[in-house]
Amino acid sequence: DSGVTQTPKHLITATGQRVTLRCSPRSGDLSVYWYQQSLDQGLQFLIQYYNGEERAKGNILERFSAQQFPDLHSELNLSSLELGDSALYFCASSVRWGLATDTQYFGPGTRLTVL
Amino acid sequence: GQNIDQPTEMTATEGAIVQINCTYQTSGFNGLFWYQQHAGEAPTFLSYNVLDGLEEKGRFSSFLSRSKGYSYLLLKELQMKDSASYLCAVPSGGSYIPTFGRGTSLIVHP
Repeated sequence: DSGVTQTPKHLITATGQRVTLRCSPRSGDLSVYWYQQSLDQGLQFLIQYYNGEERAKGNILERFSAQQFPDLHSELNLSSLELGDSALYFCASSVRWGLATDTQYFGPGTRLTVL
Repeated sequence: GQNIDQPTEMTATEGAIVQINCTYQTSGFNGLFWYQQHAGEAPTFLSYNVLDGLEEKGRFSSFLSRSKGYSYLLLKELQMKDSASYLCAVPSGGSYIPTFGRGTSLIVHP
């Protein structure tokens, strides 16, 4: 158990819908990262927040957005869902930001299925 | 940008030793991570190398050669529970965010 929690564990929805994924980082960690993992793409970085502010952006679609709240939990919002958005979504946390040496600890993931 | 290459799949026998290779190309180097990921589960941190050489941690060891853009993960005394995907990840010189390889799926059989 990494100490990172994610809810829900599974989510099944229809195309065109909007969903919210939630993540709580390890105690003491200020950085939260979101990743998408699909069979054909591997683990892809989406976005990172540190202490409530966006710090880095990866291959995140405009239909996706995220935020980090004052209590440091984060939410990833996915809208106008398409079949291709079906994937495992992981949240990871680390103590700091900006340091390549900082180890990321991953949550158990949310499996999103879009029908 | 950067490119990370790992074999897609490897098989090995319980009790044996296996070496999983990773080659990378990056504009700058800030270290290399190895993660283990069981099917449908979260990646878990195994090792981080920033200097050349071998680092041993129990049954797992990780080696780095910066001049060759090469790393390997060595697993000894293989157990069935070692069947998993092993991900190599490298932060690029201009970023601290690691880029992950596609992973090597290791199958350990009796």
